[in-house]
Amino acid sequence: AQTVTQSQPEMSVQEAETVTLSCTYDTSESNYYLFWYKQPPSRQMILVIRQEAYKQQNATENRFSVNFQKAAKSFSLKISDSQLGDTAMYFCAFTPIQGAQKLVFGQGTRLTINP
Amino acid sequence: DAGITQSPRYKITETGRQVTLMCHQTWSHSYMFWYRQDLGHGLRLIYYSAAADITDKGEVPDGYVVSRSKTENFPLTLESATRSQTSVYFCASSDVQDPNYGYTFGSGTRLTVV
Repeated sequence: AQTVTQSQPEMSVQEAETVTLSCTYDTSESNYYLFWYKQPPSRQMILVIRQEAYKQQNATENRFSVNFQKAAKSFSLKISDSQLGDTAMYFCAFTPIQGAQKLVFGQGTRLTINP
Repeated sequence: DAGITQSPRYKITETGRQVTLMCHQTWSHSYMFWYRQDLGHGLRLIYYSAAADITDKGEVPDGYVVSRSKTENFPLTLESATRSQTSVYFCASSDVQDPNYGYTFGSGTRLTVV
């Protein structure tokens, strides 16, 4: 069974700082996708970034980037120049490419950006 | 705007009552999912469906029933609600043919069982 672990229940940084959220996962699959989702107070689940395991290059989306370490099964999210609007719950998630497309989520990290 | 519609957005029900949460998608995605979100647990899969008339259990299926007679609808029923089923419920869909391999989520239903 696949598992995803986010070891930081809460984090808090000042606006404009850089923050890194940690995620580790466990799987025997060789091909899979990893995701970071943002959930603001509105409850909407918003895709932040996606990484394909067979791609060596780390994914980036504007101020968001990941550090994907396949051998270590680690998938951290870095937010640069943090903004007040980044305040949200962040979830790391995994799905294997083969078989049912079930997303497995971590426990979440509550990120607060302070002015 | 096309996507996933969940209803109701909020629901309060009494212990022992049956309640159905609705989910409707307009993408014609083959896969649909029900998750529950609880503090400290993230989102946990209740049931999923690969196509109409094909459903399977997820991680926490006890006390829930699903059906999928049409591709676009995937209702979740709590047969006899318990306080432990107080949670936020999310419906989601995905399509293996989507090159972006994306998931679409509904806005969630906050269910309170009193």
